[in-house]
Amino acid sequence: DSGVTQTPKHLITATGQRVTLRCSPRSGDLSVYWYQQSLDQGLQFLIQYYNGEERAKGNILERFSAQQFPDLHSELNLSSLELGDSALYFCASSGGRDGTFGYTFGSGTRLTVV
Amino acid sequence: GQNIDQPTEMTATEGAIVQINCTYQTSGFNGLFWYQQHAGEAPTFLSYNVLDGLEEKGRFSSFLSRSKGYSYLLLKELQMKDSASYLCAERAAGNKLTFGGGTRVLVKP
Repeated sequence: DSGVTQTPKHLITATGQRVTLRCSPRSGDLSVYWYQQSLDQGLQFLIQYYNGEERAKGNILERFSAQQFPDLHSELNLSSLELGDSALYFCASSGGRDGTFGYTFGSGTRLTVV
Repeated sequence: GQNIDQPTEMTATEGAIVQINCTYQTSGFNGLFWYQQHAGEAPTFLSYNVLDGLEEKGRFSSFLSRSKGYSYLLLKELQMKDSASYLCAERAAGNKLTFGGGTRVLVKP
């Protein structure tokens, strides 16, 4: 258990629908990052939050949005889903407490759009 | 943006050594990470380099040359369980990591 919790683990939904992915960071970590990984692709950065505020944005579609709540958990909302949105969505957290600034990843949410 | 280049795939024999190279853009560089990712699983931290030189951790070593924008991950005494993707990631300001496409390593008996 990495300490980063993502729910749900699997999600199957139809095109046009909206889903919410949830992430609870490792205890004490203030930063949350969202990444998308399509089949056999690398990790594509979507968005970063730090202590409730958006810190950096990557190639995140306008149909996608995210937020980080006061208790530091984060949600990624995906709307008007398309077949191409099928991917693994990873959340990671960091806080710099370990001195290496590395990310701790959750186990991911596998989204399948049919 | 940051371009991280690493080979797509490598094959090696059990017990052998494999070196995975990674090149990155040097502007804004703030550290270089290597992660291991088994298929369908979360990436796990392997190493971090911020200064030039070699960092050794058991069977895995990582090297960095900041002037050349170059790093490599060395896997020694390969085991079947080392079959995985290895991700090179450059750290920029704000602790944002940009990942390369990953190198899939296949270890054969």
